[in-house]
Amino acid sequence: EAQVTQNPRYLITVTGKKLTVTCSQNMNHEYMSWYRQDPGLGLRQIYYSMNVEVTDKGDVPEGYKVSRKEKRNFPLILESPSPNQTSLYFCASSRTALSGANVLTFGAGSRLTVL
Amino acid sequence: LAKTTQPISMDSYEGQEVNITCSHNNIATNDYITWYQQFPSQGPRFIIQGYKTKVTNEVASLFIPADRKSSTLSLPRVSLSDTAVYYCLVGDRKNRDDKIIFGKGTRLHILP
Repeated sequence: EAQVTQNPRYLITVTGKKLTVTCSQNMNHEYMSWYRQDPGLGLRQIYYSMNVEVTDKGDVPEGYKVSRKEKRNFPLILESPSPNQTSLYFCASSRTALSGANVLTFGAGSRLTVL
Repeated sequence: LAKTTQPISMDSYEGQEVNITCSHNNIATNDYITWYQQFPSQGPRFIIQGYKTKVTNEVASLFIPADRKSSTLSLPRVSLSDTAVYYCLVGDRKNRDDKIIFGKGTRLHILP
C-alpha cells in the first residue's frame, strides 16, 4: 500500500531532550515536507525537500532540523525541544517538486508534547 | 501575504449541496488549484485538482472561472461525515523553490 509512515505517533518528552520523528514513504516521491498544526493556526510548513540532499526552510523552521540522505526518508529533528514545539506534526510527500500540480500524500500525524 | 482566502467556517444540513469558494488573486500561469479535506487528528486528504473550467470526480466538483482568480469546491448532497476542514491550495513559486502553503482552511459543519 502506498503510504507515508511517521513514528512515533505519540510522544511526551521533556525540555531539552533531543528527539527525532521519522518519516518514510514507499512511493519513490521526490518531494517531502514537514508541517505542524496548532489550534487556530492551520498547517504551517517547517521544512521541505525537493530531492535527495536538497532541503529548504518553510515558514516556521526555527528549532528544527531535517536531513534527506535517502529518497524515502525525511526525519525531523528537534535538537533541544521546548514547550512551544508541542504540536501535531505531519509529514507529506508528492511525486514531483514541480509547482501547481503537486498532490500531497500525508502521514497519520505525530502528536508531540514537550513538558 | 496569504496566497488564498477562504471563509473560516460554514454550516449546512445533510442532503444539501455545499459550495466553498476560494480566492487566489495572484495565481501563476502554471499553477493548479488543489483541494484537501482534513478530519480531526488526521492528515489532510486530496479531494480534487483542476486548472480551468470544471472538474468532477466521485467526491466533488471544482469550478474555475476563466480568470482563475477564484475557485469553488462543490460537495453534492453532504452527509454528517463531510464535517471537516477543507483547504484550497495553489502552488507558491518563490525564487524557483516550491513551498506548498496551506491557509487556515474552511471548517465545514454538517447538521442533521
